[in-house]
Amino acid sequence: QLQLQESGPGLVKPSETLSLTCTVSGGSINSGGSYWDWFRQPPGKGLEWIGTIYYSGSTYYNPSLKSRVTMSVDMSKSQFSLKLSSVTAADTAIYFCARHPPNSGNFYWGQGTLATVSS
Amino acid sequence: QTVVTQEPSFSVSPGGTVTLTCGLSSGSVSNTNFPTWYQQTPGQAPRTLIYSTNTRSSGVPDRFSGSILGNKAALIITGAQADDESDYYCVLYMGSGLWVFGGGTKLTVL
Repeated sequence: QLQLQESGPGLVKPSETLSLTCTVSGGSINSGGSYWDWFRQPPGKGLEWIGTIYYSGSTYYNPSLKSRVTMSVDMSKSQFSLKLSSVTAADTAIYFCARHPPNSGNFYWGQGTLATVSS
Repeated sequence: QTVVTQEPSFSVSPGGTVTLTCGLSSGSVSNTNFPTWYQQTPGQAPRTLIYSTNTRSSGVPDRFSGSILGNKAALIITGAQADDESDYYCVLYMGSGLWVFGGGTKLTVL
């Protein structure tokens, strides 16, 4: 069964870069039938799509975050990653990784990890 | 800037039927937006209920259904139960790899 596990530092200082990794198990990250995603949810607020990466390296980013987001895939480690630069307190959120098939919003979610931006 | 609209809150009586909607600030929702509905309780990851407008995700009770009603996507819950009290989110595909969430609906069952 597919499992996704987010990891990364729980605390990041303002103006620094938030780096998170999602480890994929029980499935192949280089499957042509899968896209890999990052989402976030600030405390008490709604969900926000951050971006999507395909195993080939093609990326799609939320226009509101595009200037600060970089996503990458490491097939040797079965991981994909998110980097969000120049963070502020507004970037404090639970960050979820997920997987979805082509032409479908049937996202399969990880459990999420809280990232707090504070000095 | 495309905005996806949802009712902020809704209330339903136990055993009743409720229709939650998901619209666009400009234009109509269609099947090509692959409307998808999620249920989320506090502190938990979202759970996919309905995807591609009306396909029920594995293990989801058949009291949950989805459709296009007029110019919006809809999530219909028939025979509401106490444990349906949750936050419900829709997401729409806007093309070019972009997804946009609605602000969510807080459903109360009382």
